[in-house]
Amino acid sequence: DQQVKQNSPSLSVQEGRISILNCDYTNSMFDYFLWYKKYPAEGPTFLISISSIKDKNEDGRFTVFLNKSAKHLSLHIVPSQPGDSAVYFCAASANAGGTSYGKLTFGQGTILTVHP
Amino acid sequence: DAGVIQSPRHEVTEMGQEVTLRCKPISGHNSLFWYRQTMMRGLELLIYFNNNVPIDDSGMPEDRFSAKMPNASFSTLKIQPSEPRDSAVYFCASTPFYGNTEAFFGQGTRLTVV
Repeated sequence: DQQVKQNSPSLSVQEGRISILNCDYTNSMFDYFLWYKKYPAEGPTFLISISSIKDKNEDGRFTVFLNKSAKHLSLHIVPSQPGDSAVYFCAASANAGGTSYGKLTFGQGTILTVHP
Repeated sequence: DAGVIQSPRHEVTEMGQEVTLRCKPISGHNSLFWYRQTMMRGLELLIYFNNNVPIDDSGMPEDRFSAKMPNASFSTLKIQPSEPRDSAVYFCASTPFYGNTEAFFGQGTRLTVV
């Protein structure tokens, strides 16, 4: 059973426009969410995160939104740049009470292509 | 500052052979993870070590897989005997402390079992 789902395998966007990547989760115990970015032949790199006590976190061109009632989060990239072309993974963790060791459950990934 | 180092980058082996993947975590990091990425299952956690001790190996697919961490700077993932369905990219990741989720990943080992 896929507890974290990224239903769009790919997304194509024009340079300068907004990229919106979506992620849904089913496990209500998840309380910390992250986005990782992965270039070909490299390992994933941490991009941005959000705790379940917030509904928005912003870092430069990247903003993550969390809708707990819908069990949905999204990553907005504005403006998109060709260098943003990569695979984006959504990940979730259940950290409440400090009982989790940091185990991440990943989505399948979305391939983002930003055209010049 | 070197990141997580994995070797080899690519491994091609015949079915039935033993395969050993290696990982050197970032110096000072206490937690180490092994992940596997496949088209079908995406990125899935295989095993987690904290302070060189295996804490959670529930993701290890079967007894053919084993992992060790003899010291803080080295870990191995062994598959014996290997099968074609083990073909995947295997990532090692480390974090500074227990509970931290912002993992630093290595570049991965692409394993092909023919």
